[in-house]
Amino acid sequence: DADVTQTPRNRITKTGKRIMLECSQTKGHDRMYWYRQDPGLGLRLIYYSFDVKDINKGEISDGYSVSRQAQAKFSLSLESAIPNQTALYFCATSDPHGVNSYEQYFGPGTRLTVT
Amino acid sequence: EDQVTQSPEALRLQEGESSSLNCSYTVSGLRGLFWYRQDPGKGPEFLFTLYSAGEEKEKERLKATLTKKESFLHITAPKPEDSATYLCAVQSNDYKLSFGAGTTVTVRA
Repeated sequence: DADVTQTPRNRITKTGKRIMLECSQTKGHDRMYWYRQDPGLGLRLIYYSFDVKDINKGEISDGYSVSRQAQAKFSLSLESAIPNQTALYFCATSDPHGVNSYEQYFGPGTRLTVT
Repeated sequence: EDQVTQSPEALRLQEGESSSLNCSYTVSGLRGLFWYRQDPGKGPEFLFTLYSAGEEKEKERLKATLTKKESFLHITAPKPEDSATYLCAVQSNDYKLSFGAGTTVTVRA
């Protein structure tokens, strides 16, 4: 089984709809991240969480919200989806106490299309 | 603000034709430089971390090197299975990775 899973893998939604993307991990890592990837722009950080009670905005948080339900679960919500939120979304985890404390491990991604 | 620029955007190689990818960066204080491989429809897969200028790391046909301003990913005698997008990222604080846009490598048999 994959260490970092994301659901759904693909989603098409309409402008104005609320949508939630979910991420689960079995790596036991405290830190979790949400990124979006757009062609030619690289990955950009939306939100990050160092533990269940510590959630922080990244560089492009407007229009998004998150919830850290447990150490293993981190959800990303689009309150009112708009077409320019069409992108590939990735969840990632890292372990600040491990030997390789700066490395981040990514899930398979969710392809979101807003029409 | 940390900045990462990768070149070229795309690279087409014949099987066995060695080449190098470039990652230029500006960062306020480098904690680490990372290389990832990304296959179509999948998440980035970690390859290497480099921490200081002069450091080198190897994995199969890949070798990553680091200077104070750039990193190179050398692909020696590539095979078709090395076809992927290679991403470079830098870390200057406790959490944030700043990614380049990537280099898409296609290796023809």
